[in-house]
Amino acid sequence: NAGVTQTPKFQVLKTGQSMTLQCAQDMNHNSMYWYRQDPGMGLRLIYYSASEGTTDKGEVPNGYNVSRLNKREFSLRLESAAPSQTSVYFCASRDSNKNIQYFGAGTRLSVL
Amino acid sequence: ELKVEQNPLFLSMQEGKNYTIYCNYSTTSDRLYWYRQDPGKSLESLFVLLSNGAVKQEGRLMASLDTKARLSTLHITAAVHDLSATYFCAVDKSGNTPLVFGKGTRLSVIA
Repeated sequence: NAGVTQTPKFQVLKTGQSMTLQCAQDMNHNSMYWYRQDPGMGLRLIYYSASEGTTDKGEVPNGYNVSRLNKREFSLRLESAAPSQTSVYFCASRDSNKNIQYFGAGTRLSVL
Repeated sequence: ELKVEQNPLFLSMQEGKNYTIYCNYSTTSDRLYWYRQDPGKSLESLFVLLSNGAVKQEGRLMASLDTKARLSTLHITAAVHDLSATYFCAVDKSGNTPLVFGKGTRLSVIA
């Protein structure tokens, strides 16, 4: 019962470094999402993928890129990390039949 | 642009008391979702409301949806400490559009 798996769980970067956050789901869902969560801001959508081979910008896409590698995997890349990208990042996938969105455990990222 | 507002953002309530959290949204939709987040944890689905007048109940929590008023309520009955968490509402316009989340209501139940 893995559900949505995110790696890594924690990461510290220096300004300007790059990294990729990995996300995989084993529920055969078409739609996948990346959010960031900041104190007092709720969850804000970065990018989403409605199906394999498609990606779209969300509310806060600047500074990020995504890849929908296949139906299972949806990765988020920070090319040149900035302190403003310090946040908790959540990946999610959606069961369109039950209308439930399942979230991963989150990645806590600090950019110094 | 779809906007979702929750109030209150912070709520401290005594055990055994009742209270309601409100969720307003800005554009027409008949699809609303409630999630719970414990500190340092991920989000867990609580309720899915997909029509006007929908009401769902689970234990001490009851959620309802009034699409004409663009309002959902999450009612807490006889609060217990285990209900302490942050509660988010979210709205979408269809099953193919992303959820838009409110900022969350941080609930603290005290003895």
